[in-house]
Amino acid sequence: EDQVTQSPEALRLQEGESSSLNCSYTVSGLRGLFWYRQDPGKGPEFLFTLYSAGEEKEKERLKATLTKKESFLHITAPKPEDSATYLCAVQASAGTYKYIFGTGTRLKVLA
Amino acid sequence: EAGVAQSPRYKIIEKRQSVAFWCNPISGHATLYWYQQILGQGPKLLIQFQNNGVVDDSQLPKDRFSAERLKGVDSTLKIQPAKLEDSAVYLCASSRSGYTDTQYFGPGTRLTVL
Repeated sequence: EDQVTQSPEALRLQEGESSSLNCSYTVSGLRGLFWYRQDPGKGPEFLFTLYSAGEEKEKERLKATLTKKESFLHITAPKPEDSATYLCAVQASAGTYKYIFGTGTRLKVLA
Repeated sequence: EAGVAQSPRYKIIEKRQSVAFWCNPISGHATLYWYQQILGQGPKLLIQFQNNGVVDDSQLPKDRFSAERLKGVDSTLKIQPAKLEDSAVYLCASSRSGYTDTQYFGPGTRLTVL
């Protein structure tokens, strides 16, 4: 069964304190892995898509990486405005190509 | 480019009542999705449409939930009758083609069933 596990569930950082969020997955053939950011009361906002092991994507203070079993979202020198829930989803390369989401990591960055 | 629109944003109903949600996808997007997000969990796919047709409704509780997408654009999701466990945020998303394209989400409708 396709499955996505995110850790930690919650993370508190001081402003400027870099860290990483983990997304481990099992899927019968990975077509893509997606990272979204979700603010309270809003829908998920697309950040990155990764397709193959070794691929990396960057956007401002965020960098996403992918291996054959997991993905990391690295946050460098975070700011309070980076506080949000970060969701990871995988899409299998067969069937209906639906997204399977993890439960997310709630990030709080303190000033 | 306008994003995915949803209404209402909030709804409070009594159990056993019915409720309907509306979604307007990004213009030109052929694929539309309805997700249920329970507090503290990730979104769970309820139904996926490709144009007018249903691609996947395997996780839709068909005894109480129904959805339609007329003319391949707007969509409505209905719950009848609602149960307490249906309290959640209902998210609509759309993608250009479905199979390979990124999904973009609307703001969601927060449903509270009392």
